[in-house]
Amino acid sequence: KQEVTQIPAALSVPEGENLVLNCSFTDSAIYNLQWFRQDPGKGLTSLLLIQSSQREQTSGRLNASLDKSSGRSTLYIAASQPGDSATYLCAVEGNQFYFGTGTSLTVIP
Amino acid sequence: KAGVTQTPRYLIKTRGQQVTLSCSPISGHRSVSWYQQTPGQGLQFLFEYFSETQRNKGNFPGRFSGRQFSNSRSEMNVSTLELGDSALYLCASMGGWEFTYNEQFFGPGTRLTVL
Repeated sequence: KQEVTQIPAALSVPEGENLVLNCSFTDSAIYNLQWFRQDPGKGLTSLLLIQSSQREQTSGRLNASLDKSSGRSTLYIAASQPGDSATYLCAVEGNQFYFGTGTSLTVIP
Repeated sequence: KAGVTQTPRYLIKTRGQQVTLSCSPISGHRSVSWYQQTPGQGLQFLFEYFSETQRNKGNFPGRFSGRQFSNSRSEMNVSTLELGDSALYLCASMGGWEFTYNEQFFGPGTRLTVL
């Protein structure tokens, strides 16, 4: 069974810092990997999707990478802002979608 | 393009009752997946419907069931509610076709509280 782990569980950084969130998975036979953010009590907002044949995707200040062979993905956030404060989740698509437990990010003004 | 809608947004029920939640996917999407989110267990997959057929199922008891209509709208039913069913129930919409990449889009969720 696919296991998805996100480290750290919580992260607090001052505004303006660059940061990296990590996602690891145990089964490399995936179709895609998707990063989401979730604000408290809300649904998930899709940030980036990386197909299994791709190595990275970029959107604005966000860059996500994928290394299937090592079972790892990273989400890089440049020049963090207080509005980036949220929980970030990664999900891998195999026969179903498997989610990590998330990283709770707080950006301090 | 309208996003994924879920109704109702909040529900309060008592143990033993049953509840039905509704999800309308993005226009043109044929797949709807349901998830349960709790602080202790995180996001857990319930089931996926594609073209009115259940395509995948997670590891939940038979009290949790669903269906999909010809317009791709989906409903999820929980019978004989237990306190542990209190959670945020999320549905996700995607195109759903095989051999293409599938990006999931989530609704705002239904917050179910069981007393």
